[in-house]
Amino acid sequence: AQSVTQLGSHVSVSEGALVLLRCNYSSSVPPYLFWYVQYPNQGLQLLLKYTTGATLVKGINGFEAEFKKSETSFHLTKPSAHMSDAAEYFCAVRIPRNTDKLIFGTGTRLQVFP
Amino acid sequence: KAGVTQTPRYLIKTRGQQVTLSCSPISGHRSVSWYQQTPGQGLQFLFEYFSETQRNKGNFPGRFSGRQFSNSRSEMNVSTLELGDSALYLCASSLLGTAMNTEAFFGQGTRLTVV
Repeated sequence: AQSVTQLGSHVSVSEGALVLLRCNYSSSVPPYLFWYVQYPNQGLQLLLKYTTGATLVKGINGFEAEFKKSETSFHLTKPSAHMSDAAEYFCAVRIPRNTDKLIFGTGTRLQVFP
Repeated sequence: KAGVTQTPRYLIKTRGQQVTLSCSPISGHRSVSWYQQTPGQGLQFLFEYFSETQRNKGNFPGRFSGRQFSNSRSEMNVSTLELGDSALYLCASSLLGTAMNTEAFFGQGTRLTVV
């Protein structure tokens, strides 16, 4: 079965520190991968997506993610955390030649301390 | 252009009642999906509509239903509400036809509380 796993439901970092949020997927074919961010009482906003081509994808707010097929991973990183990055982050996958639905991970809540 | 609009934003209902939530997608988007978000279960896929046809369905009981109109606006209905139906219901629209690499754009959600 196709799925996506986010390791760590909570991640805490200091302001200015590296942010690393982990995402692994399971798929028999190369998937389309997405990272979304959700602020309190809001919907989800797309941070970045990988479809084809360059495996390092840059998104909004200084975030980037690298698609590693050999590791079936799509980890989200940001070199320097800002207080405004505190939110919940969701990794999602869509499998070509399968249903069109987006399958979401369980989410990782990022806390940023001053 | 306008984003995905969900109405109402907040709703309080009593057990046993029914509720209808509305979603207006981004202009030109023909695919609308619905998700239920709860602290315990995360984001759970309810169903997806494309050109007025239900194309995918999640593992929810028949009390949860939806439809899509010719202008792509969508509604979801929950009948015989239970306390466990309390959640944030999110609607997402996309340009999906055959292009699966397009992202979904989400509305702000409807917060349903069942008392």
